[in-house]
Amino acid sequence: RKEVEQDPGPFNVPEGATVAFNCTYSNSASQSFFWYRQDCRKEPKLLMSVYSSGNEDGRFTAQLNRASQYISLLIRDSKLSDSATYLCVVNIRDSNYQLIWGAGTKLIIKP
Amino acid sequence: DAGITQSPRYKITETGRQVTLMCHQTWSHSYMFWYRQDLGHGLRLIYYSAAADITDKGEVPDGYVVSRSKTENFPLTLESATRSQTSVYFCASSDAGVYGELFFGEGSRLTVL
Repeated sequence: RKEVEQDPGPFNVPEGATVAFNCTYSNSASQSFFWYRQDCRKEPKLLMSVYSSGNEDGRFTAQLNRASQYISLLIRDSKLSDSATYLCVVNIRDSNYQLIWGAGTKLIIKP
Repeated sequence: DAGITQSPRYKITETGRQVTLMCHQTWSHSYMFWYRQDLGHGLRLIYYSAAADITDKGEVPDGYVVSRSKTENFPLTLESATRSQTSVYFCASSDAGVYGELFFGEGSRLTVL
């Protein structure tokens, strides 16, 4: 089992719709969680950190479920510009340097 | 310009040759990282550095060498390139290790023939 698993997609979603995807992690000692966005053939960029209480940034909402060991990302009122690959990232409590990266979920927003 | 830059952006080389990928950041971030990204895999850490003259192995260090004599530079050398090292290489920096945002360079696409 991979340490961080994501549905690779692609998720094909019409513009304006709401889309959500999850990421599961295997290490219960994981401490910090992030969503990064990666456009085609570009570098990853931080979308948002995921806090225990959940957090929202405009149209984006991230949730953490420690009991079931997954994090989620919800995108409301999706835009064409949201088309990208979304990377789930988890750190391990006993490592100051090691992040575990999911392979990403590809999202395609259709007009 | 401020930021993190990688060079070369594209490189084609032959098996057995030595290749060095350069990474330069202007923020004076303490932490720097080298990752490789391959289709179907998440980013995998090759080496990291917590400060100048402090480097350590990541998940996939075999065949790679790094150095960090200055805070702003973190070159990655493939001592004898192999086809399995064909990949996209990303350099990143952070002022808070893995607890904060990582800032990535644009990537270096390496093909080993």
